[in-house]
Amino acid sequence: LAKTTQPISMDSYEGQEVNITCSHNNIATNDYITWYQQFPSQGPRFIIQGYKTKVTNEVASLFIPADRKSSTLSLPRVSLSDTAVYYCLVGAGRDSSYKLIFGSGTRLLVRP
Amino acid sequence: KAGVTQTPRYLIKTRGQQVTLSCSPISGHRSVSWYQQTPGQGLQFLFEYFSETQRNKGNFPGRFSGRQFSNSRSEMNVSTLELGDSALYLCASSHQPGTGGDEQYFGPGTRLTVT
Repeated sequence: LAKTTQPISMDSYEGQEVNITCSHNNIATNDYITWYQQFPSQGPRFIIQGYKTKVTNEVASLFIPADRKSSTLSLPRVSLSDTAVYYCLVGAGRDSSYKLIFGSGTRLLVRP
Repeated sequence: KAGVTQTPRYLIKTRGQQVTLSCSPISGHRSVSWYQQTPGQGLQFLFEYFSETQRNKGNFPGRFSGRQFSNSRSEMNVSTLELGDSALYLCASSHQPGTGGDEQYFGPGTRLTVT
């Protein structure tokens, strides 16, 4: 059964680095791993996407080990406005069983 | 360019009724995916359309259906509404289906309340 697992919540302080890990044992061979941020009453917003190794953009880094069974979103120097729910998204299964699977979400609270 | 739009934003229906939700993707995007979001189940994949064809479907009963038009706009329909169908329904569009290196852009969602 395809499933992704994330920590339910995390606490941090302004200026710290935050790392959120998602496990996705059944990721489809050709699929990418995508992370989203969601604020209350809004749709998820794209943060970063990768296939393997490391990807970095202006807001985050994504680390993916060789087996691709997990990924870690790294947010450098978080601020209060980074308080949100973070989701990983992968494709899992093959052919007719292929589905897009969201993680359960990690609620990040950034404290002053 | 304009983002993904969903109409209506809010909807109240009673049990047994049916409802149709609409999604207009970003111009040029041919893939549309639908998700249901509830506090208990999180974000769950409903179905995905690409070039008017349903490519994949999540684990939802047949009461949930959808379609995509030639202009890539998509609708989803829920028949015989149940209280448990109350949720935020999100639509996302992208150039290509799946997560094959293509970013999905989400709309603001339609909040459906079934009484």
